[in-house]
Amino acid sequence: QKEVEQNSGPLSVPEGAIASLNCTYSDRGSQSFFWYRQYSGKSPELIMSIYSNGDKEDGRFTAQLNKASQYVSLLIRDSQPSDSATYLCAVNGRENFGNEKLTFGTGTRLTIIP
Amino acid sequence: GAVVSQHPSRVICKSGTSVKIECRSLDFQATTMFWYRQFPKQSLMLMATSNEGSKATYEQGVEKDKFLINHASLTLSTLTVTSAHPEDSSFYICSVGGGPYEQYFGPGTRLTVT
Repeated sequence: QKEVEQNSGPLSVPEGAIASLNCTYSDRGSQSFFWYRQYSGKSPELIMSIYSNGDKEDGRFTAQLNKASQYVSLLIRDSQPSDSATYLCAVNGRENFGNEKLTFGTGTRLTIIP
Repeated sequence: GAVVSQHPSRVICKSGTSVKIECRSLDFQATTMFWYRQFPKQSLMLMATSNEGSKATYEQGVEKDKFLINHASLTLSTLTVTSAHPEDSSFYICSVGGGPYEQYFGPGTRLTVT
């Protein structure tokens, strides 16, 4: 079983709609959760971090964490063509607690259709 | 977040030669840096954790004698690909921990071995 799982996509969403990206993880003791955006040919960029259950909002982005169900999601409101990218979910698991090593999912490719 | 630079951004070398990639933390003293490799259309693969003043910790399956890592100061880590071969052609990305457990990536180095 993969430690961090994401649907590889591609996920196509009309411009202006809400894009919903999901991620599940296997280590129940995981402490920290991150979403990175990666444009083609570029390196990942941190867009959201979340550490406790519930929602965290930052502009058009909302991260949602449910530790009981072991999933974390990212909602992008009012999707723009510039949001087209691959989104990587990353988790700092219990085995890594105390160091900064992250486990990454394989990423979901998102395409916003004008 | 931490600002990270990498040099060079792109390098082409002949098979059998060695290539050095530099990763600099510009605004943060980093005791730990991470080196990743990413093949086309694949996710990030952690190669090693670079520790300032001590030996790097390599992930399983990564040849430590082929991928030499030196972390001589709090702002600089280097990755040397020794005796490079075409299969080493990839996108190499370093990251710096910005806390808590966040990682900030450099812009990456695209290596092509001919």
